Amino acid sequence: GQNIDQPTEMTATEGAIVQINCTYQTSGFNGLFWYQQHAGEAPTFLSYNVLDGLEEKGRFSSFLSRSKGYSYLLLKELQMKDSASYLCFFPGGSYIPTFGRGTSLIVHP
Amino acid sequence: DAGITQSPRHKVTETGTPVTLRCHQTENHRYMYWYRQDPGHGLRLIHYSYGVKDTDKGEVSDGYSVSRSKTEDFLLTLESATSSQTSVYFCAIRDDGTEAFFGQGTRLTVV
Repeated sequence: GQNIDQPTEMTATEGAIVQINCTYQTSGFNGLFWYQQHAGEAPTFLSYNVLDGLEEKGRFSSFLSRSKGYSYLLLKELQMKDSASYLCFFPGGSYIPTFGRGTSLIVHP
Repeated sequence: DAGITQSPRHKVTETGTPVTLRCHQTENHRYMYWYRQDPGHGLRLIHYSYGVKDTDKGEVSDGYSVSRSKTEDFLLTLESATSSQTSVYFCAIRDDGTEAFFGQGTRLTVV
């Protein structure tokens, strides 16, 4: 099975940097995804980590440490439109694919 | 956008009636999923499929059944809808090593 933990809510200021953590305990591992979901919309893909280290995509970066069961999503130069829910996702394989409950990020001026 | 569509997008139904939601893909992806999303619970897996006629239960499968008779279609059926099944339902597709793509969601209200 899988146990995934994310903070429920975070707030940050426009222009700042925010780090959203995801810790997990899984019976197997074949990658971790991060998704963004705006209210009333479908989740959209942000990043994918399968090896340890940092993956950078513009203002968004994601880090993975498999030995520590830990990942984070780093958002730089925050914009108001970044206010959304951020979900870490384990795709599964021989086990049930699972989302974390999501972190609601509120960006204020 | 990935080729995935859900129908209907909105539905209101009465308690005790059967309801079928459809997920259709044009990507030929192997895996298809049905999730429900409720406040405070995030996305919870109902059922998933890893091939034609190959399906398995997720964490909240009670009261739901699925069928996948061909690669492109994954149907979710509520045999007898209850008010607790009022939710937003998302379908998703993916292949090995790729990200999941989501449909736009179906808002179901059971009155």
